[in-house]
Amino acid sequence: AQSVAQPEDQVNVAEGNPLTVKCTYSVSGNPYLFWYVQYPNRGLQFLLKYITGDNLVKGSYGFEAEFNKSQTSFHLKKPSALVSDSALYFCAVMGVNTGGFKTIFGAGTRLFVKA
Amino acid sequence: EAGVAQSPRYKIIEKRQSVAFWCNPISGHATLYWYQQILGQGPKLLIQFQNNGVVDDSQLPKDRFSAERLKGVDSTLKIQPAKLEDSAVYLCASSLEGPNQPQHFGDGTRLSIL
Repeated sequence: AQSVAQPEDQVNVAEGNPLTVKCTYSVSGNPYLFWYVQYPNRGLQFLLKYITGDNLVKGSYGFEAEFNKSQTSFHLKKPSALVSDSALYFCAVMGVNTGGFKTIFGAGTRLFVKA
Repeated sequence: EAGVAQSPRYKIIEKRQSVAFWCNPISGHATLYWYQQILGQGPKLLIQFQNNGVVDDSQLPKDRFSAERLKGVDSTLKIQPAKLEDSAVYLCASSLEGPNQPQHFGDGTRLSIL
């Protein structure tokens, strides 16, 4: 069965410092991996995805993520955090399921960037 | 492009009543998803449509929840009768066909059961 784990409920970082939000996954076959961000009272917004190719993928708002097959991880990173990055971040994996592909979301990590 | 539209934004009902949510996906998106997001948790897939056919409804409580996507465009999700544990945000998302396509979400309907 496929699964996604986000081991940290909350990440705190000072503005201007680098940030990392962790994600590990378990899926049969090759994974399709996604990061989404959710602001209060809003739906999720797509940030970036890994399908195949370069292990470092770049996305919206300066975010990037590193795919590590051996560690089954897909950590979200940003070199310099902004206060406006404070939000809820979800990692998602889409893997093969009976009848097609199925998306599983992690429980989310709340990022708090302090000015 | 116009985003995914959902209505209503908020709904308060008493337990055992019925409620319906509406979703209009992005034009041209063949795949439509309904998720349930309970406070403090990630979205849980309830049902996935490909055009007007159901791809996955394994986590839909079929004794009380139903969904349809007539004509492969708009979709409605219904709960009848509602239980207290149904209090959640119901999110609709759509995407182009294929597992590598990102999902585009509406802002959801926040349902409170009294």
